[in-house]
Order: sequence, then structure tokens, then C-alpha cells
Amino acid sequence: NAGVTQTPKFQVLKTGQSMTLQCAQDMNHEYMSWYRQDPGMGLRLIHYSVGAGITDQGEVPNGYNVSRSTTEDFPLRLLSAAPSQTSVYFCASSQTSGGSSYEQYFGPGTRLTVT
Amino acid sequence: GESVGLHLPTLSVQEGDNSIINCAYSNSASDYFIWYKQESGKGPQFIIDIRSNMDKRQGQRVTVLLNKTVKHLSLQIAATQPGDSAVYFCAEIVNSGGSNYKLTFGKGTLLTVNP
Repeated sequence: NAGVTQTPKFQVLKTGQSMTLQCAQDMNHEYMSWYRQDPGMGLRLIHYSVGAGITDQGEVPNGYNVSRSTTEDFPLRLLSAAPSQTSVYFCASSQTSGGSSYEQYFGPGTRLTVT
Repeated sequence: GESVGLHLPTLSVQEGDNSIINCAYSNSASDYFIWYKQESGKGPQFIIDIRSNMDKRQGQRVTVLLNKTVKHLSLQIAATQPGDSAVYFCAEIVNSGGSNYKLTFGKGTLLTVNP
């Protein structure tokens, strides 16, 4: 299994540009989520999905859109990039909890710079 | 332990010593907690978890203690090794029903192990 993969690894955007950060997992996990990590801070939840066709907002959703058309993929879209969105973005997945485990598997991250 | 602001709390220990990393959480409704390790340039990696109905859980060289009275969590690492050098995050989980849950991360503690 490849686990959780993210592309690209690095990206530089100009203010106002749009782009999509890709995330895919091959573990048949139902729960997927996107976080951003800023220097000296923990991870903050942007959006999450509990299954295909279902998404919800996290702590910092403004400026980001998501969709979940398949179990495997959970892309994150920046509609009009702003310098405040300069960050490292992590995608994660986990099995539906069922009360057993909430262990999340993280991708390697995408480092985004907006100039 | 955890703190607000841009500078991570740091803990420096000698190789072979025991390390204790602390975390204060905010939500008394949190029913599950996870410790993650994040090495430089990588995504967070699961270390150990604990349910809110437990006060202690042991893994290999790691122990998590939970004190719900004061909303405090700690991670103890025995015989700390240079490979343990990383940023450690605690995360609390509130389950709003079924598979719908959110993780909230603390801001992290940087552990440095001196040989």
C-alpha cells in the first residue's frame, strides 16, 4: 500500500491564482481530512469528509473548497490564493471510527507559498 | 508543555534519560486522545492513544497518562534515544455521533535528545 499520497510536494502561487492540492489513499478509509500547519503551531483542521459525497467544515475553512466523489480521493481547492494561505498542508485518512480507533494516517505534506 | 504563541515549547534531554511531555486540553467532552510525533519535513506519525475512560496506557517505551480532573495529558518516553528527537503533538477528539468526529491538535513540544 502507498498509504496517503499528496501532490505536489511544493508549490508557489501568485496572489489570486487558483489551484488544487491532490490527496489520495489506498487503504479504503472512509474518513479523510485536510489540515494546515503554520510555523510554531499545531495542525488546524480545514475540511473533512466521513465518506464519499459527504464533506464538512473544520476550524479554518474560509478560502478552501473540497469535494469527495470517490472513497480514494479528497482534493483541496484554493479558489483565489492569498499570502495568508502560505503554509504546509497535510491530508490524513482513517477508518470510520466505529468507536474502535481514531488513528489517522498522514501524507507527506504540500508546502505552499503564495507571493 | 503546550502554550500559545509562535515559539514551540522545547524539552532537551540526555540520551538514556526519561522524557515527559505535557499537554493541557480544553474540551471536557473530549473522549479520546492521541499523541503524534512529527519529524522534520514529514507528516505526523501516530504514537499512542487513550480513551477518556482510562487514566494510563502503555506502549513500547511510551506511556500516556490522562488526568481528566485538570484536563491534562502527558507522554512519557523511557530511555530516550536520538531518534526520538521530533515535535510531539497531543490531539483531542470529540465524537459528534457515529463516524463524525474532529481532531483538535495542541501546538506541539520540540524534544531534542543530546547524545
